[in-house]
Amino acid sequence: GQNIDQPTEMTATEGAIVQINCTYQTSGFNGLFWYQQHAGEAPTFLSYNVLDGLEEKGRFSSFLSRSKGYSYLLLKELQMKDSASYLCAVRDVWIYNQGGKLIFGQGTELSVKP
Amino acid sequence: DGGITQSPKYLFRKEGQNVTLSCEQNLNHDAMYWYRQDPGQGLRLIYYSQIVNDFQKGDIAEGYSVSREKKESFPLTVTSAQKNPTAFYLCASRDRDRGETQYFGPGTRLLVL
Repeated sequence: GQNIDQPTEMTATEGAIVQINCTYQTSGFNGLFWYQQHAGEAPTFLSYNVLDGLEEKGRFSSFLSRSKGYSYLLLKELQMKDSASYLCAVRDVWIYNQGGKLIFGQGTELSVKP
Repeated sequence: DGGITQSPKYLFRKEGQNVTLSCEQNLNHDAMYWYRQDPGQGLRLIYYSQIVNDFQKGDIAEGYSVSREKKESFPLTVTSAQKNPTAFYLCASRDRDRGETQYFGPGTRLLVL
């Protein structure tokens, strides 16, 4: 079956670095996405990985290992505003099959403390 | 400003009533999606549309209906057959030029009276 696992919650300190892991088991793979969702708001796109390796975008980086079914989101120089839920999503089919639908993990609730 | 809009922000449904959630985008995206989000669960796909006048059921389509008469618009109707409609409903559209990334509207929170 299709399964995406993330820790339910994490806590970190302002200014620190935190790594949020995501493991997936899907029938196929056509890209992995990370979204940030503040309470009561819609998810906003953070990063996209389709090849193995690290993608860096400012304070945020995302890593993918397709052979291990594993990704992580790395947040550096944490700020209070980074307190949010972080959603890992996998597109397991080719884009024009099933609309390129995404399978979402349940999200990791990150709390940043002063 | 280009973007995805959803209305209303909050919607109350009475027993036996059908309600329609609006989703509009001016990004010229072909594909649009409806997801449902419940506490402690990941987003689940209700319906999607890849092109005007065509739409397909997602994983939890029972009790919902959609239409796609215009590229810009993809309204979702929550029918009385949906027995547990209380949730946060998110509309998304897909951008071909950025890894086929889906971008979300602000959402509609549906509550049952």
